[in-house]
Amino acid sequence: DQQVKQNSPSLSVQEGRISILNCDYTNSMFDYFLWYKKYPAEGPTFLISISSIKDKNEDGRFTVFLNKSAKHLSLHIVPSQPGDSAVYFCAASAEGQGAQKLVFGQGTRLTINP
Amino acid sequence: GAVVSQHPSWVICKSGTSVKIECRSLDFQATTMFWYRQFPKQSLMLMATSNEGSKATYEQGVEKDKFLINHASLTLSTLTVTSAHPEDSSFYICSAPTSGTSEQYFGPGTRLTVT
Repeated sequence: DQQVKQNSPSLSVQEGRISILNCDYTNSMFDYFLWYKKYPAEGPTFLISISSIKDKNEDGRFTVFLNKSAKHLSLHIVPSQPGDSAVYFCAASAEGQGAQKLVFGQGTRLTINP
Repeated sequence: GAVVSQHPSWVICKSGTSVKIECRSLDFQATTMFWYRQFPKQSLMLMATSNEGSKATYEQGVEKDKFLINHASLTLSTLTVTSAHPEDSSFYICSAPTSGTSEQYFGPGTRLTVT
């Protein structure tokens, strides 16, 4: 049972435009969500997170939106840059703050075209 | 941010042998570390939670006798793949949270190939 789903395996965006990556989850107990960026043969790098008490969190070019009623979150990158090309994973945790187990989506490969 | 290292970065071993992978938190202490496995074009799957000073807790379907975890100190956790088989070939990644945060820092991963 895939509790965290990223239904788009790939996304191609032109440089300078907005990239929108989507993630859906099924477990209503999830209360913390994170986005990670991953290059091939490397470990994931933390990008941005959001707690379930918020519906938006912004950090520079990255904004994460959370729609709890729809069990949906999205990552917006604007403007997109060639260096943003990577695989993006969303992850969710069900146990609040602290050292928690993460459930990952399948990932979306983002390609930024010059 | 915090740094987590893994060693080796890649290893090739023969079927039936054992391989040890190290995960170190370089600039912080981690009472808990997590071990993940990623097959090609798939998600990261949590294998087990490594706890300093106590036994690791394994996710459903992960054989604890095959994947031995030892959290030797507050900065080191090891994963030993025993009697490796070709189907164990995968990308193994560890992570550690810093205290007081929900963010986890990942190691660079270890590519294991069993021939």
